[in-house]
Amino acid sequence: SQKIEQNSEALNIQEGKTATLTCNYTNYSPAYLQWYRQDPGRGPVFLLLIRENEKEKRKERLKVTFDTTLKQSLFHITASQPADSATYLCVPTGTASKLTFGTGTRLQVTL
Amino acid sequence: DTGVSQDPRHKITKRGQNVTFRCDPISEHNRLYWYRQTLGQGPEFLTYFQNEAQLEKSRLLSDRFSAERPKGSFSTLEIQRTEQGDSAMYLCASSLEGAGGISPLHFGNGTRLTVT
Repeated sequence: SQKIEQNSEALNIQEGKTATLTCNYTNYSPAYLQWYRQDPGRGPVFLLLIRENEKEKRKERLKVTFDTTLKQSLFHITASQPADSATYLCVPTGTASKLTFGTGTRLQVTL
Repeated sequence: DTGVSQDPRHKITKRGQNVTFRCDPISEHNRLYWYRQTLGQGPEFLTYFQNEAQLEKSRLLSDRFSAERPKGSFSTLEIQRTEQGDSAMYLCASSLEGAGGISPLHFGNGTRLTVT
């Protein structure tokens, strides 16, 4: 069955550093991969989508990589700020209409 | 764009009661999804609609759950004979699916259900 692995433990980093979150997937051949941000008590918010033929995608301080050989995506936040503290969800996406979300990694950025 | 709205935000009910949640998607979106999320987990797919047609239901969805989307606009999710295991955040999302590509989901802020 399809499996998505994200670090279940929280990632704690200092303000100004780069945060790197990992998403590994198995039994999947997604054509796309999406990342969402979720704050406590709120619904997820879409951040970025990367296609299988794109190695890297950037949006402001965010950068996503997608390695279909390793079956892995890395999500980077540069110059992190306390406001970046949230849970980040990885969503490998194929042609199926329903999306399967990872469990998410909680990022805590401290001063 | 007023976003996806869900009502109520919180619902506390006693085991065995029926509950109904409402979702108003972004008006031009043709797809509507229901997800359920428990603490420490990612959202879990329940069902989705393309306009008014319910196209897929999760095998995890028991027959106590039913969803409708009359006229392809708002949607309701009903849970009959609630059980304590139904306690969760119920999330609604919508998207505009076109001829190609992937359209990201726009989520509401959910209805938190507590079954006592």
